[in-house]
Amino acid sequence: GENVEQHPSTLSVQEGDSAVIKCTYSDSASNYFPWYKQELGKGPQLIIDIRSNVGEKKDQRIAVTLNKTAKHFSLHITETQPEDSAVYFCAATRTSYGKLTFGQGTILTVHP
Amino acid sequence: DTEVTQTPKHLVMGMTNKKSLKCEQHMGHRAMYWYKQKAKKPPELMFVYSYEKLSINESVPSRFSPECPNSSLLNLHLHALQPEDSALYLCASSQGPGSSGNTIYFGEGSWLTVV
Repeated sequence: GENVEQHPSTLSVQEGDSAVIKCTYSDSASNYFPWYKQELGKGPQLIIDIRSNVGEKKDQRIAVTLNKTAKHFSLHITETQPEDSAVYFCAATRTSYGKLTFGQGTILTVHP
Repeated sequence: DTEVTQTPKHLVMGMTNKKSLKCEQHMGHRAMYWYKQKAKKPPELMFVYSYEKLSINESVPSRFSPECPNSSLLNLHLHALQPEDSALYLCASSQGPGSSGNTIYFGEGSWLTVV
C-alpha cells in the first residue's frame, strides 16, 4: 500500500517568513496530492491540491510542487501570518481508489 | 458550497450504550467516508461508500456499523464501544472514486468520549 512520509514534524517561523513542508510517497500509481490545514478542534480543511500531470500550482500565498520522478511534493507558504498556525497534513491517493493516505502532520507555529 | 455537516459535535457514551453519528452533504457527491482521528495523529480511513454501497471497510471492528440511507446521508452506529475508541470521527465526501475531480472534503467532526 501507499506510505507517505512528512517532514518536519514541527516548524516555527517568524511572521512574514516562508514555510516549507515536504512529503515523499511510495506508490508510483498515486496521482492526486492534497494538502489539509487542521486548526485546533476542527476538521481538516483542504487548502490546495495537485494532480500528477502538473508540476506546480499556486494560490495566493500558497504553492505546491510535485516531482514525480523523485516521488516527493512540497507545500510552500510565503509571507506567513499568525493565522497560518495549525497542523498541516499532506496526503496521496489514486483518484480511482478513494483512500487518502496521510503524512504524520506538521505543527506550524507563526510567531508575531 | 463545499459543506459536510456532522452531528452531534460532541458525544459522551457509556460502554453499554447505543448511539449514532450523522453526516450530511448536499454537493451531489457519490462517495462518502468515515475517518477516525486520535490526538496528534493523522486521520485513518474506516469506511468508504461509493454510490451508496460499502466499497471499503478497513477491518473496522463490528461495534462500528456504517449505514448510507441515501446519497446525501451517512450514519455511523456505535454499540459496545471501548474507552480506546474515544476520538474525533470525521465524515468526508467527494464526487466519487474514478472521477478526475475526486477532491475529498471533510466535515468538522464529532468528538466521541467513551466512559
